[in-house]
Amino acid sequence: AQSVTQLDSHVSVSEGTPVLLRCNYSSSYSPSLFWYVQHPNKGLQLLLKYTSAATLVKGINGFEAEFKKSETSFHLTKPSAHMSDAAEYFCVVSDGPGRRALTFGSGTRLQVQP
Amino acid sequence: SQTIHQWPVTLVQPVGSPLSLECTVEGTSNPNLYWYRQAAGRGLQLLFYSVGIGQISSEVPQNLSASRPQDRQFILSSKKLLLSDSGFYLCAWSRQGASEQYFGPGTRLTVT
Repeated sequence: AQSVTQLDSHVSVSEGTPVLLRCNYSSSYSPSLFWYVQHPNKGLQLLLKYTSAATLVKGINGFEAEFKKSETSFHLTKPSAHMSDAAEYFCVVSDGPGRRALTFGSGTRLQVQP
Repeated sequence: SQTIHQWPVTLVQPVGSPLSLECTVEGTSNPNLYWYRQAAGRGLQLLFYSVGIGQISSEVPQNLSASRPQDRQFILSSKKLLLSDSGFYLCAWSRQGASEQYFGPGTRLTVT
């Protein structure tokens, strides 16, 4: 069975400071991992994905994540937060293609203070 | 490029009334299709998925049903809504054999 734990339900940062959203996973197989972002009353947008290639994955809007197998982590980072980054972020794991293979974390709400 | 549409955007329905939410995908063929529900302050719950026309798998027993009458059309229905059916409903698609899913804009359903 696979599972995802997002370690912080809320994170607050000041504009221009770094962002760190933490995620730990468990999976019986070599997983694919994703980060999605959801702005209020909107659908989810794929930020980035890890699929067993490079362990440092670059995504859209300046976000990146590092896959650390030894720590079973896939933390999301951004060097400098922007007001538009305020949203809910979901860490997601898949251990197989297609069908019902995605397991979502409970989400981290990112606040960006001016 | 591929796009996914959902309608209506918002819906307010009384308890006991029927429901029909529609999702369509453009720019791809034979996608896997998914319905999720997101309750307030909670994560996403997979309700149904489909790997082809007329092929529906249910993840959670409930009073909702899904149908796929065409390759790129996915419909979520109910004969009688419950208060607990309120939530944000998201449709998603993925390519056959791929893990990443792409989400629609969602429908906000309020059952009163």
